[in-house]
Amino acid sequence: KAGVTQTPRYLIKTRGQQVTLSCSPISGHRSVSWYQQTPGQGLQFLFEYFSETQRNKGNFPGRFSGRQFSNSRSEMNVSTLELGDSALYLCASSWDSHEAFFGQGTRLTVV
Amino acid sequence: GIQVEQSPPDLILQEGANSTLRCNFSDSVNNLQWFHQNPWGQLINLFYIPSGTKQNGRLSATTVATERYSLLYISSSQTTDSGVYFCAVGSSGNTPLVFGKGTRLSVIA
Repeated sequence: KAGVTQTPRYLIKTRGQQVTLSCSPISGHRSVSWYQQTPGQGLQFLFEYFSETQRNKGNFPGRFSGRQFSNSRSEMNVSTLELGDSALYLCASSWDSHEAFFGQGTRLTVV
Repeated sequence: GIQVEQSPPDLILQEGANSTLRCNFSDSVNNLQWFHQNPWGQLINLFYIPSGTKQNGRLSATTVATERYSLLYISSSQTTDSGVYFCAVGSSGNTPLVFGKGTRLSVIA
């Protein structure tokens, strides 16, 4: 059974640009959550999608958005990138908020 | 929201030693997981343990939900056990996982 797949693995963007990250969950999992990890703030919850609907949202500005498709794949978008958005972005999938499984992450660097 | 505290923040061990990592949480939980973050950043599932005791090889975990803590035991540690260990909890219903700040373990040969 394939695990959670995140693409791309690494990304370098310039301030002011926008970026889209992708996450393919484990087959059969309908819940996809996104987390941001930085050295200063640790692991912080961004949002969760379940059956194409945003079910939970963390405390992040509106520049961070996401969506989920009918095949449960999810994308997150960050617009107007700032230096502070540099982080490891982790995606997790689960079967309706039970045990979560994480992908390898996307490491975003904003210069 | 629920608070999660992990201790100790840092731990240095000689290879072969045993260790206990602790996770305290401030409210009742219906989900508790232990992860090991590898050097490339991926969170590796160790245990899904909202209550009770589980063992997997040299690792075991116990959650005492009524007293709001969980323990991760690592026996006969190896250098490959080095890394950051996270505890994450979900408090009720479909609430997202809240992570502790982690315990950074260094095992020295």
